[in-house]
Amino acid sequence: DVKVTQSSRYLVKRTGEKVFLECVQDMDHENMFWYRQDPGLGLRLIYFSYDVKMKEKGDIPEGYSVSREKKERFSLILESASTNQTSMYLCASSLWRGSSYNEQFFGPGTRLTVL
Amino acid sequence: KNEVEQSPQNLTAQEGEFITINCSYSVGISALHWLQQHPGGGIVSLFMLSSGKKKHGRLIATINIQEKHSSLHITASHPRDSAVYICAGATTLGGGTSYGKLTFGQGTILTVHP
Repeated sequence: DVKVTQSSRYLVKRTGEKVFLECVQDMDHENMFWYRQDPGLGLRLIYFSYDVKMKEKGDIPEGYSVSREKKERFSLILESASTNQTSMYLCASSLWRGSSYNEQFFGPGTRLTVL
Repeated sequence: KNEVEQSPQNLTAQEGEFITINCSYSVGISALHWLQQHPGGGIVSLFMLSSGKKKHGRLIATINIQEKHSSLHITASHPRDSAVYICAGATTLGGGTSYGKLTFGQGTILTVHP
């Protein structure tokens, strides 16, 4: 089974802190994604990566950056956390097949609270 | 802009009832995913459809490409089916490459009472 793990289930940070959210997948997937999930807004794509050191902005990249130095690991960075970044953060991965038909496998999520 | 619209937003049923959740999507979406999220839990992929119909146990997903519409059906619903069900469209970027990027519906909160 594909396993996607995230470094923390719950995280509490203060405004202005630099925050790192880590995601690791064990199935050699090329694509990795970071989403945030908010009530009433659903899931929204922050960034995705289709290869090591490659990244693309999603729908809401402002205030975030990402890093993918190794194929299995995709990090989301909040350079200076703000209260409006309090959310559930979900990582996902999928196999590259050059088409739309890639099932995504999700991690358990990190609930981040910024005080 | 690629869009996915889901209905209803909330659905309450009695155990044993047949349930349908609907999803409409815009041009530019070439495959439809159905996902399930239990309270406090992660997201699990149920189906991925580009045409026709798929069945897994009591779950059935259908898609009509011409009408850009998909449905998720649950037969003989059970309280353990209570969850949020999300449809998501896989978008195709220029040149037919998508990297599996998804556009999500708002989700349907399903509650099945015993």
